[in-house]
Amino acid sequence: NAGVTQTPKFRVLKTGQSMTLLCAQDMNHEYMYWYRQDPGMGLRLIHYSVGEGTTAKGEVPDGYNVSRLKKQNFLLGLESAAPSQTSVYFCASSNVEGGTEAFFGQGTRLTVV
Amino acid sequence: AQSVTQLDSQVPVFEEAPVELRCNYSSSVSVYLFWYVQYPNQGLQLLLKYLSGSTLVKGINGFEAEFNKSQTSFHLRKPSVHISDTAEYFCAVTFLDTGRRALTFGSGTRLQVQP
Repeated sequence: NAGVTQTPKFRVLKTGQSMTLLCAQDMNHEYMYWYRQDPGMGLRLIHYSVGEGTTAKGEVPDGYNVSRLKKQNFLLGLESAAPSQTSVYFCASSNVEGGTEAFFGQGTRLTVV
Repeated sequence: AQSVTQLDSQVPVFEEAPVELRCNYSSSVSVYLFWYVQYPNQGLQLLLKYLSGSTLVKGINGFEAEFNKSQTSFHLRKPSVHISDTAEYFCAVTFLDTGRRALTFGSGTRLQVQP
């Protein structure tokens, strides 16, 4: 009964380092999303996927890449981390029926120094 | 442009008092509407949603919201709040004219319930 699981929960990176955030869902959802949450700005969509093997850009995609090689996993990559990418990252998934209710992971708190 | 606005960044209220958190959106197309709650250091949990039908929707923890199409609003209400309702509340909208069925979020309202 895990739902949406994000790994890791916390990470500190130095400027220029790379990392990958993993999102896994066990609800057989088609749609998966990566958001970032910053104070006073709500959640903003980075990238999303409408099915295995597909990805698309959201509102703030620059500096990030994603992959959806398996239906249950959605990876978010930072190739060269910048302090502006310090944020809390949330993964979400939803079913195929109009992308209605989204289920969220617990978040990854990333600090880039 | 399509957008979601939560005008109140913080709402202080005393325990057992009523509360209304405001949400407006900008769009001329059909929408799905949601309210999510986020407790400290946690993910987002769905409170309630409007997809179609009755414009008054009831959610968990005694919350309800009313969809007003003419005013493009979806305000969240609770008649009597508890200390445990202290959290951040997000209004979110899916705009149905696009193939991207992703949620667009407002900036959030922090509800602070005081004893």
